[in-house]
Amino acid sequence: SQTIHQWPATLVQPVGSPLSLECTVEGTSNPNLYWYRQAAGRGLQLLFYSVGIGQISSEVPQNLSASRPQDRQFILSSKKLLLSDSGFYLCAWMLVQGRGEAFFGQGTRLTVV
Amino acid sequence: AQSVTQLGSHVSVSEGALVLLRCNYSSSVPPYLFWYVQYPNQGLQLLLKYTTGATLVKGINGFEAEFKKSETSFHLTKPSAHMSDAAEYFCAVRLKTSYDKVIFGPGTSLSVIP
Repeated sequence: SQTIHQWPATLVQPVGSPLSLECTVEGTSNPNLYWYRQAAGRGLQLLFYSVGIGQISSEVPQNLSASRPQDRQFILSSKKLLLSDSGFYLCAWMLVQGRGEAFFGQGTRLTVV
Repeated sequence: AQSVTQLGSHVSVSEGALVLLRCNYSSSVPPYLFWYVQYPNQGLQLLLKYTTGATLVKGINGFEAEFKKSETSFHLTKPSAHMSDAAEYFCAVRLKTSYDKVIFGPGTSLSVIP
């Protein structure tokens, strides 16, 4: 069966520090991968998606970047965090073909102080 | 542009009462529709989905939803609320653009009053 791992679960970082959040998927090949951000009391905003290794597209301009060094690994990064980067970050995967749902990781609660 | 709206950011029901969470979408093509539930500080869990076929779909935990194309709606219901149903609920649409992406509604926070 497919599983998705996301870590760390919580993170407190000072303004201006770097960021690296990692997500890995098991049990499937060549999935579409996604990073979402959920601000407090708000819905989910799609940040990045990837349809293959090294292929990254950004949905909104921001202080973050993403990379996909391996088929089932998706990394969210920042060189210098801003206070506004605080939020709940969710990684998700979806099969390219079909009508199925997106599967989500457990999320990372990022607080920038 | 495609979008998902959820009427009511907060809904309160009494334990044992009917749960009704509303979702409307706009899409130029037949969509694939989903309801997800999120408990505090956790990821999203799929409750149910509509792709094709029967318009009344049943999900986990006693929830069901009905796809009404004429109303562009996909409302979520449960006959009798339980305390454990208190959570955030998201309606979502899967769209086929240059890639597959899922657009979420803003969410509805459900409170269950004992």
